[in-house]
Amino acid sequence: DTAVSQTPKYLVTQMGNDKSIKCEQNLGHDTMYWYKQDSKKFLKIMFSYNNKELIINETVPNRFSPKSPDKAHLNLHINSLELGDSAVYFCASSQPGFNRDTGELFFGEGSRLTVL
Amino acid sequence: QQQVKQSPQSLIVQKGGISIINCAYENTAFDYFPWYQQFPGKGPALLIAIRPDVSEKKEGRFTISFNKSAKQFSLHIMDSQPGDSATYFCAASIFGGATNKLIFGTGTLLAVQP
Repeated sequence: DTAVSQTPKYLVTQMGNDKSIKCEQNLGHDTMYWYKQDSKKFLKIMFSYNNKELIINETVPNRFSPKSPDKAHLNLHINSLELGDSAVYFCASSQPGFNRDTGELFFGEGSRLTVL
Repeated sequence: QQQVKQSPQSLIVQKGGISIINCAYENTAFDYFPWYQQFPGKGPALLIAIRPDVSEKKEGRFTISFNKSAKQFSLHIMDSQPGDSATYFCAASIFGGATNKLIFGTGTLLAVQP
């Protein structure tokens, strides 16, 4: 029933490790996003995909690699984790268009990553 | 120019009072201004949004006031309730196209005291 679901919800790992976060949406939306929320709750866009095509890459380090196998899934792989990567990562989806009803982003519940 | 400035950082309001959160933007190309509400442990959820062709939009106890010339917009929560206690984010984007790149404000932590 969950519209946008992310796994895992919590991730604790050591510096230098590689980890992945998975996201799936069942809303039939064409566009998916990854946002990062830091310890001060600041939300910043990282990536956006539309129909499996990368649209936005917001100067994120190359260690972060998103992958969209199909338009319902957007995964995030992070290599060589650093302390500063500790944050809550949110996946979201939207249905693009110019209709007054479009524009809403539907967020998942977040994946809290802690790098030790 | 991509920033959205939000104030205050935190707000304490008595039950039944009015909560007011303000935002300002620089980029005049922005034409979609939503407010998101986030409860602890949850993702942000859309509360209410406005396009610049109107100066005010009301949905229940929540009202957005928009001042295009001043490049400011605000959220008013009337008759604030303890259940409204959450973090509120304003945002802005250029509407339409293949993606909706929301630029978020820094958030306001609202506590409504019973």
